[in-house]
Amino acid sequence: AQSVAQPEDQVNVAEGNPLTVKCTYSVSGNPYLFWYVQYPNRGLQFLLKYITGDNLVKGSYGFEAEFNKSQTSFHLKKPSALVSDSALYFCAVTLLSGYALNFGKGTSLLVTP
Amino acid sequence: GAGVSQSPSNKVTEKGKDVELRCDPISGHTALYWYRQSLGQGLEFLIYFQGNSAPDKSGLPSDRFSAERTGGSVSTLTIQRTQQEDSAVYLCASSLGTSVSYEQYFGPGTRLTVT
Repeated sequence: AQSVAQPEDQVNVAEGNPLTVKCTYSVSGNPYLFWYVQYPNRGLQFLLKYITGDNLVKGSYGFEAEFNKSQTSFHLKKPSALVSDSALYFCAVTLLSGYALNFGKGTSLLVTP
Repeated sequence: GAGVSQSPSNKVTEKGKDVELRCDPISGHTALYWYRQSLGQGLEFLIYFQGNSAPDKSGLPSDRFSAERTGGSVSTLTIQRTQQEDSAVYLCASSLGTSVSYEQYFGPGTRLTVT
């Protein structure tokens, strides 16, 4: 079985402050982890992924995520939030044996000016 | 270049009717996925196609749901005898293959409302 959990339904951050969107995973094997973002009335856009190698992964729009095997986490981070980062963020996991993505429930990020 | 396109963008149907949702993947992408996004269930995998291989139907919620992919390109998701719980946004994605090296590109979705 494989699953991810996003413990926060909503995260509020002031513009310019660092942001973190949390994700923990549960898999019976080596996880492959992804972050996607969904802007209003638009499809999901890929942000970044962890496959292997460096635990710190850098992605689009200045986002990064750190894979932590001991804590089974893959939190999304950005050093300085922008109002335009306000969107719905999804963490996802898959195993190499099947590439269907298992998504978390999503976290709504609101960045206020 | 052109992304994944889906049609219709919105569909309202009466309970008990059949509906067909269409997905045009990115040209050259051999893998195609259907997901469903609903308030209660979040984002759920439904089915995926890879080339000429038999599709993985493990996510289909009931036998009222079926999908086909013609000529390795366009895909149609069919829901028979629609129920109110089928109301959701149906998302299609495509990728160059099923390796995790290839990211999935999502279409804008079809919003299905069953009245």
